Amino acid sequence: EVQLVESGGGMVQAGGSLRLSCTASGFTFSADWMTWVRQAPGKGLEWVADIEGDGSARQYADSLKGRFTVSRDNVKNSLYLQMNSLRVEDTAVYYCARNLGFHRLDSWGQGALVTVPS
Amino acid sequence: QSALTQPPSASGSPGQSVTISCTGTNSDVGGYNYVSWYQQHPGKAPKLIIYEVNERPSGVPDRFSGSKSGNTASLTVSGLQAEDEADYYCVSFPARFGGGTKLTVL
Repeated sequence: EVQLVESGGGMVQAGGSLRLSCTASGFTFSADWMTWVRQAPGKGLEWVADIEGDGSARQYADSLKGRFTVSRDNVKNSLYLQMNSLRVEDTAVYYCARNLGFHRLDSWGQGALVTVPS
Repeated sequence: QSALTQPPSASGSPGQSVTISCTGTNSDVGGYNYVSWYQQHPGKAPKLIIYEVNERPSGVPDRFSGSKSGNTASLTVSGLQAEDEADYYCVSFPARFGGGTKLTVL
């Protein structure tokens, strides 16, 4: 059974940094693209970033480029999202998801809440 | 990366059918057969219910079906049940997300 578990969420002041982790199990982690999606309170889903199985290709939402960095450690079966220069509008639940190609996101974690207070 | 357009709400009575639209452009929905749909209940993670326009993952009831015409994709829920009340999101390659539709079962 595929399992994805996010961790690292919390409250951080504007301008601060936070790193989210997503630990995967139940599949060959290194074989699959992974995706981060976020959801602001009461709002819809927003794509954040993708990373290829071997980490060689990464893609980001235009609005986040330069502040967020996606990475992975295939030995630890872990996906990461480094978030810098955080803003109030980055407050959201952040989900990691397995991406079977063309944004077919077949398995999702439970989400990690990041709060940047005003 | 512009969002895809979905109606904010839809509704139907138990047993009825409801269709939710998802409109993009020929650079996303119209250009690829890679539209997926996700169901999200309050406080839960999204769940994949349709991929590649009209394919259902194992375990998803055949009451859920997808289609596409031009730049508009559609999700149809037939034989509405109370548990279908949820938010529904469309996603198209490349990384375009719809704003979501709240489906209410009357």
